[in-house]
Amino acid sequence: GAVVSQHPSRVICKSGTSVKIECRSLDFQATTMFWYRQFPKKSLMLMATSNEGSKATYEQGVEKDKFLINHASLTLSTLTVTSAHPEDSSFYICTSFLGNTEAFFGQGTRLTVV
Amino acid sequence: GQNIDQPTEMTATEGAIVQINCTYQTSGFNGLFWYQQHAGEAPTFLSYNVLDGLEEKGRFSSFLSRSKGYSYLLLKELQMKDSASYLCAVRDSNYQLIWGAGTKLIIKP
Repeated sequence: GAVVSQHPSRVICKSGTSVKIECRSLDFQATTMFWYRQFPKKSLMLMATSNEGSKATYEQGVEKDKFLINHASLTLSTLTVTSAHPEDSSFYICTSFLGNTEAFFGQGTRLTVV
Repeated sequence: GQNIDQPTEMTATEGAIVQINCTYQTSGFNGLFWYQQHAGEAPTFLSYNVLDGLEEKGRFSSFLSRSKGYSYLLLKELQMKDSASYLCAVRDSNYQLIWGAGTKLIIKP
């Protein structure tokens, strides 16, 4: 089946540094990639929708200059958390649809900012 | 506003059957999804309903009633590995996924 590969699975960084998270679709073309954030025991919160070759669409309240999304090819979308702070510590997940009926998730990235 | 409601937590016994309900109010409807999520892991796809009725897939079944804005996930012959959170999500008229907060299912021996 279709696979979305997300890296890294875990990252610890210092406050003020930037972290890049990659999501690759391994056997299908992901025209659209959705980026979610999930706090412990909470539901998935959509951060932004990235479309290949165009600017990402950010949800209300999500800072586009802080969470940089790039979708340069049909198989790769990246999320960069810039100038990270402890409150950015969270579980970040990407997902893409194959066809109309199933969303494939990346493995998720546990970000801890110290 | 858009809203997905599901119970916060449920407990069931190994070998038994459990039904997890989900009610929704969204702007438009383009399908309802159920996902399983183990702690610290990404969600995995369980089922998709777009028409009314029951979809059966092994030990798991999912039901949808669009007129009632209601779905349930039925898990049979429960196993300890079924202990997880179960997420209900509805795709709205803009093809955005609206997620419920998830139901934590605890399986006891």
